[in-house]
Amino acid sequence: GDSVTQMEGPVTLSEEAFLTINCTYTATGYPSLFWYVQYPGEGLQLLLKATKADDKGSNKGFEATYRKETTSFHLEKGSVQVSDSAVYFCALSDQGAQKLVFGQGTRLTINP
Amino acid sequence: DTEVTQTPKHLVMGMTNKKSLKCEQHMGHRAMYWYKQKAKKPPELMFVYSYEKLSINESVPSRFSPECPNSSLLNLHLHALQPEDSALYLCASSQDGTGGRETQYFGPGTRLLVL
Repeated sequence: GDSVTQMEGPVTLSEEAFLTINCTYTATGYPSLFWYVQYPGEGLQLLLKATKADDKGSNKGFEATYRKETTSFHLEKGSVQVSDSAVYFCALSDQGAQKLVFGQGTRLTINP
Repeated sequence: DTEVTQTPKHLVMGMTNKKSLKCEQHMGHRAMYWYKQKAKKPPELMFVYSYEKLSINESVPSRFSPECPNSSLLNLHLHALQPEDSALYLCASSQDGTGGRETQYFGPGTRLLVL
């Protein structure tokens, strides 16, 4: 079945550091890929998405590229801020499937 | 507008109470979802409605009863819950849920505490 594997956290960085959160997937079809962010005490917000190979999703300085050859969708940001502290979920939605398949989530803390 | 609203924001209930959670979207979406999220875990799918018909029930106990009165509204009726049902309940919606590969938009959730 489909699955998503994220790098384990927690991840702690200093403000203005470079961020990478690794995400790899397995899918039987040709999925769409997503990053969702969950701030403390809130629901999930769509951060970015990509629907086909080599697409780059971007939002709020975050980027991720759909790499079919390596089945990866790593999240990057060049300079993180304290306000980026949150839990980040990588997810996929496969062809013909109504379910979102989530990774386990990565808790990110940014220190000033 | 990609907003999904949920009420109430917080709910405390006893094991003998009956309560309902409400979810609303005005994006014209025809698929709506209920998820349960425990602390430090990803959301777990409970139910999916597509065109107001229940299409997925992930073997959820009958003390949870979903209802989709129309394409914009989704309710979750709660009865005789257990303390282990305490969690964040998230609602989501997407285009129509039929072909897959859809973006799901989530609401802010209802934080439920069962005493």
